[in-house]
Amino acid sequence: KNQVEQSPQSLIILEGKNCTLQCNYTVSPFSNLRWYKQDTGRGPVSLTIMTFSENTKSNGRYTATLDADTKQSSLHITASQLSDSASYICVVSSDPSGGSYIPTFGRGTSLIVHP
Amino acid sequence: GAGVSQSPRYKVAKRGQDVALRCDPISGHVSLFWYQQALGQGPEFLTYFQNEAQLDKSGLPSDRFFAERPEGSVSTLKIQRTQQEDSAVYLCASSFERGHYSNQPQHFGDGTRLSIL
Repeated sequence: KNQVEQSPQSLIILEGKNCTLQCNYTVSPFSNLRWYKQDTGRGPVSLTIMTFSENTKSNGRYTATLDADTKQSSLHITASQLSDSASYICVVSSDPSGGSYIPTFGRGTSLIVHP
Repeated sequence: GAGVSQSPRYKVAKRGQDVALRCDPISGHVSLFWYQQALGQGPEFLTYFQNEAQLDKSGLPSDRFFAERPEGSVSTLKIQRTQQEDSAVYLCASSFERGHYSNQPQHFGDGTRLSIL
């Protein structure tokens, strides 16, 4: 069964500090991996998308890495801001050549940035 | 508007009632997805449309759930004879390319929070 596991479940950091969120997956065959930011009461917003051949992708202060061999990804947030407080969700999609497209979502990491 | 719009934002219904949730995707987006998100959980896939065709409905939890997109734009998720376990946030997302070429971002609406009493 395709699974996406995220850690930690929650994280509290001080404003200005860096942090790294982890995502491990067992989705196969792999198509792409996405990181989303979801503010409370809002829909997820895409941060990065990585395919098999990409091992790093940046979007401002967010940098995602992908190791397709170990099936691990990380999201690094630099110089955190109060507005970074949100849930960060890792989503892995299967290769659609075998059938329909179904993404598998992790449960998310809840990040709280304190002043 | 420029984004995915969902209505209503909140819906309260009594157990056994039918509900209908609406999604207006971004204009021109081919792919449309419905997800169910329980409190404290990540979204779970329900169903996927490519234009008006429902290509995958494997995530629908029971035959009480029905989705349609008759003209390839607006979509409606209908839940019949609602149960308390149907209480969740229902998210809609759209993307420009066909879902089978899935390297485009999905744009999410803010969801409909459904509460069944």
